[in-house]
Amino acid sequence: QSALTQPPSASGSPGQSVTISCTGTSSDVGGYNYVSWYQQHPGKAPKLMIYEVNKRPSGVPDRFSGSKSGNTASLTVSGLQAEDEADYYCNSYADNNNLVFGGGTKLTVL
Amino acid sequence: QVQLVQSGAEVKKPGASVKVSCKASGYTFTDYYIHWVRQAPGQGLEWMGRINPNSGGTNYAEKFQGRVTMTRDTSISTAYLELGRLISDDTAVYYCGRTRVHFDSWGQGTLVTVSS
Repeated sequence: QSALTQPPSASGSPGQSVTISCTGTSSDVGGYNYVSWYQQHPGKAPKLMIYEVNKRPSGVPDRFSGSKSGNTASLTVSGLQAEDEADYYCNSYADNNNLVFGGGTKLTVL
Repeated sequence: QVQLVQSGAEVKKPGASVKVSCKASGYTFTDYYIHWVRQAPGQGLEWMGRINPNSGGTNYAEKFQGRVTMTRDTSISTAYLELGRLISDDTAVYYCGRTRVHFDSWGQGTLVTVSS
């Protein structure tokens, strides 16, 4: 099972929007609506931001949104804030009861 | 509240095995899968596999087949990850996570260092 493809980095100024992509195949992202996104600050455990493509857990700001088209999922962060600077990972359910992560994207708030 | 508390850091020699524990509290242990994910220094997250605490059934990532064993003890709500034939590339923080499909709770991580 190959890792999902994410851009290594993304950036934006405070208040702007940024979108991070996550590309897989029909065996993972394209085949299931079980894509989730995690935020990770240095030295910390990941935190769930989006699940089942576009659902937000309680407590996650509505500035975070998710979508999917074909084999590519996306995370959009609107109204960027300094505390959004972190690494972001996508994750998808895959064939044969596997899970697969993306390589991660480092988001910088300029 | 839901908590997953992992065992402490380990230092192992190449060729040895390591066993990491993950104690769950605040929910019914058998209602959620426990997955193991690792993160090498400066690298991304890597899924290793999962265990169904209810049945004990496991699914392992192909990369770790034959070298990893996931078990659980329902009497103490604890899951275990054992990784054998360690090499230096196994140096990483190992996380347990609770899921139905997505990870909604994580352990604090356990650093495993493999060094001669």
